[in-house]
Amino acid sequence: DSGVTQTPKHLITATGQRVTLRCSPRSGDLSVYWYQQSLDQGLQFLIQYYNGEERAKGNILERFSAQQFPDLHSELNLSSLELGDSALYFCASSFRDSSYNEQFFGPGTRLTVL
Amino acid sequence: AQSVTQLDSHVSVSEGTPVLLRCNYSSSYSPSLFWYVQHPNKGLQLLLKYTSAATLVKGINGFEAEFKKSETSFHLTKPSAHMSDAAEYFCVVRPYMDSNYQLIWGAGTKLIIKP
Repeated sequence: DSGVTQTPKHLITATGQRVTLRCSPRSGDLSVYWYQQSLDQGLQFLIQYYNGEERAKGNILERFSAQQFPDLHSELNLSSLELGDSALYFCASSFRDSSYNEQFFGPGTRLTVL
Repeated sequence: AQSVTQLDSHVSVSEGTPVLLRCNYSSSYSPSLFWYVQHPNKGLQLLLKYTSAATLVKGINGFEAEFKKSETSFHLTKPSAHMSDAAEYFCVVRPYMDSNYQLIWGAGTKLIIKP
C-alpha cells in the first residue's frame, strides 16, 4: 500500500458526460501528479500540482482539468467524454518537487466510456 | 532531448533462471533513474532508484540495477525468477537539470515467467 488513495476504483459512463476523479496523496506529500494509461499510448503524464499550484502540464486535453485543494487532495475533471478516453487514470504523489523524490502511485481509477 | 528506451517489449524466462530487462537512456545531465513494476490490474510500485550514489542499486524482491554512464544504461536484473515476478516493468528517467523534473517513461517490458 503506497498511501495514495484514489476514488472511485471503477467508473462507467457514456460519451459526452463529465466525471471527477479524486486523489488523496500520502500524508506530508505536497506534489500530486496525474497520469493516463491506455493500451495504445502507454503511460502519459497529464498534469502536476505542487502545494496547490499547477506546476507542469503534459499531454492533457483541453476537455480535462485538475485542481489541488488546500488539504492537498486533488481532483481530475474529464468532460465531453469520448470513447478514446477509456483508460486507467493514476494519481501519484511525492514529498517535494525534485529529481531525487520518487513518486508513489495510487491504485488507479479505471474509466470506461460507452 | 531526454528519452528512455526499453529494448524489449516482452521477455520470457523460466522460473529459477536469471532475469535481464534492458534500459537505455538519453539525458544531457546526470539523471535520476527508477524502475517501477506494475502487476496485472494493479498500480505502479517503485522497485528501485538511482540518484548518483552507488552505481549498483538494490531494490525490493531481489531485483537490482546497475547504472553505467559510459553505456547510458540502467538494466534491471534478478538472479532467479519467481512466478510472482510476472508483471510489466517500466524504466523511468528524471532529468536532474530539467526545470520541471518530469518523469520520462519507457514503453514497458512485459516479463513472462514459464513454469
